[in-house]
Amino acid sequence: LAKTTQPISMDSYEGQEVNITCSHNNIATNDYITWYQQFPSQGPRFIIQGYKTKVTNEVASLFIPADRKSSTLSLPRVSLSDTAVYYCLVGGHTGGFKTIFGAGTRLFVKA
Amino acid sequence: DAGVTQSPTHLIKTRGQQVTLRCSPKSGHDTVSWYQQALGQGPQFIFQYYEEEERQRGNFPDRFSGHQFPNYSSELNVNALLLGDSALYLCASSSPGQKAGTEAFFGQGTRLTVV
Repeated sequence: LAKTTQPISMDSYEGQEVNITCSHNNIATNDYITWYQQFPSQGPRFIIQGYKTKVTNEVASLFIPADRKSSTLSLPRVSLSDTAVYYCLVGGHTGGFKTIFGAGTRLFVKA
Repeated sequence: DAGVTQSPTHLIKTRGQQVTLRCSPKSGHDTVSWYQQALGQGPQFIFQYYEEEERQRGNFPDRFSGHQFPNYSSELNVNALLLGDSALYLCASSSPGQKAGTEAFFGQGTRLTVV
């Protein structure tokens, strides 16, 4: 299973765009990249998933370069409620096989 | 759709006791995974059930066991509780077929405190 490396923490201000980068140098051909958000004492919540290039949904964008050894989660115009821990996961099936969570990135959004 | 539901939400047990946690997967999901999350850490994979069998297991002792029922719901049992078992226990379910890129849906968790 590919190991991921993320910054431990990040600070931002309301209204700014936040980019969290994840390194996964030994990603396998069949692996997908998935990001989860977790608030204290709650289960992780799926944000976005991608395989290559760019994926966008109503809450975030995911940028994956051609070599797929890293990925960047982009949160547009963050608000105080985006303060949470963000996890980057790499694997074939986040639910189908064991999913390895790292320590995640603690994002703190300030007013 | 109720999503993934777990019970109870909170639980306090004494060292040496046994505990059973329950999980109902999201409608249409047949795979259930269990995670332990200590304070300030990421979730750690315990095991996964599919077709009523344990398919994958993380680095947890045999005190941790589970079961999946024909309706896909699942139980996590922990015997001989230790203080270090205090954590948030998360259940995740996923969609059928174990397709590539399948996302997992998590429940709210059960907060277990061992005293």
